[in-house]
Amino acid sequence: DTGVSQDPRHKITKRGQNVTFRCDPISEHNRLYWYRQTLGQGPEFLTYFQNEAQLEKSRLLSDRFSAERPKGSFSTLEIQRTEQGDSAMYLCASSGVGGNEQFFGPGTRLTVL
Amino acid sequence: KQEVTQIPAALSVPEGENLVLNCSFTDSAIYNLQWFRQDPGKGLTSLLLIQSSQREQTSGRLNASLDKSSGRSTLYIAASQPGDSATYLCAVVGFNTNAGKSTFGDGTTLTVKP
Repeated sequence: DTGVSQDPRHKITKRGQNVTFRCDPISEHNRLYWYRQTLGQGPEFLTYFQNEAQLEKSRLLSDRFSAERPKGSFSTLEIQRTEQGDSAMYLCASSGVGGNEQFFGPGTRLTVL
Repeated sequence: KQEVTQIPAALSVPEGENLVLNCSFTDSAIYNLQWFRQDPGKGLTSLLLIQSSQREQTSGRLNASLDKSSGRSTLYIAASQPGDSATYLCAVVGFNTNAGKSTFGDGTTLTVKP
């Protein structure tokens, strides 16, 4: 399977705990995006990497959120001290050089109790 | 700030009907527009990508058009089938962003009844 993969698919945690999600983009894609989607809404942009450089962060991404993309391959999104308002679907997408068609992974569903 | 609107929020049609989904955007300076399909609890599947220089794209029973001057795009689905039932999202990438990030509408949820 050469699509975008995300792990885990589901995560249930208690308020105040830290969680980390992983995204593996399509191998030849240099751009990687994180979005957050709540029920009934379209995805909202969180952050973007070109290779290993994090080039843009949304103001939605508070200090409790951090993302990395070491070596320009997979990416991780960490949420510290989770709050109930963090409950959402976290989506990862990637795109290649010269084009902006984005391909999405299956998402990670986070539930904060 | 770019805003993307999709109307209606929900649509129910009988099987076999042709239908049109609408997407409007406030800033016409776009790089491209992409239509996606999302099944409940799943990720997004890319359907069609229209570059700003193009007027339409076709894939099978799907046809997407783009009118930048009016800030509108339509997704035409021919001969709808129950398997087409899903939420359809449009997303635009603006020229003013060098990140290629997309601004999404909230989607139209389509139900095709057998």
